[in-house]
Amino acid sequence: KAGVTQTPRYLIKTRGQQVTLSCSPISGHRSVSWYQQTPGQGLQFLFEYFSETQRNKGNFPGRFSGRQFSNSRSEMNVSTLELGDSALYLCASRPPGAGDTQYFGPGTRLTVL
Amino acid sequence: GENVEQHPSTLSVQEGDSAVIKCTYSDSASNYFPWYKQELGKGPQLIIDIRSNVGEKKDQRIAVTLNKTAKHFSLHITETQPEDSAVYFCAASIRSYGQNFVFGPGTRLSVLP
Repeated sequence: KAGVTQTPRYLIKTRGQQVTLSCSPISGHRSVSWYQQTPGQGLQFLFEYFSETQRNKGNFPGRFSGRQFSNSRSEMNVSTLELGDSALYLCASRPPGAGDTQYFGPGTRLTVL
Repeated sequence: GENVEQHPSTLSVQEGDSAVIKCTYSDSASNYFPWYKQELGKGPQLIIDIRSNVGEKKDQRIAVTLNKTAKHFSLHITETQPEDSAVYFCAASIRSYGQNFVFGPGTRLSVLP
């Protein structure tokens, strides 16, 4: 079974721009979570989607948003990019009925100049 | 909210020795504790997890112990090998609708040949 895939793997943007990242969960997984990973703050939870609905959100400003499609694929968007948004953005999916286990994708490395 | 501490931040061991990484959590309602291994350029990979109704779990050279009273859990790796070198993260979550994982800051393990 294919793992979680994320596109693009690397991205360079400038301040003020916006960016959209994509995540395809493992087939059959309906829950998708997004995390930001930085050397200073570590892994921080952004939000979780299940059946196209956001059901949990971390402590990030409204510039960070996401959505999930009917095929469980998810996108996250960051508007008005700041230098501090440079990070590895990780997506994780979780199978139905398996409790809490989640599986991560390889991440998208975003650099804001 | 939940807070997870992890020690040590770096750990060097000789090949064949054991490695122990410890985590503490603050929210007694947390009931699921996964451990992830992250290699350079990759997303975190689940290596073992434990639920609050279990005190210990073992999978080949890897074991996790949980002390609910003290609110701490530990990862034990025996007979370490160079390929065990990576960053290890512990996490805690409350199994509920829209669960939210809180991660420790990570431990960089180096296994010296």
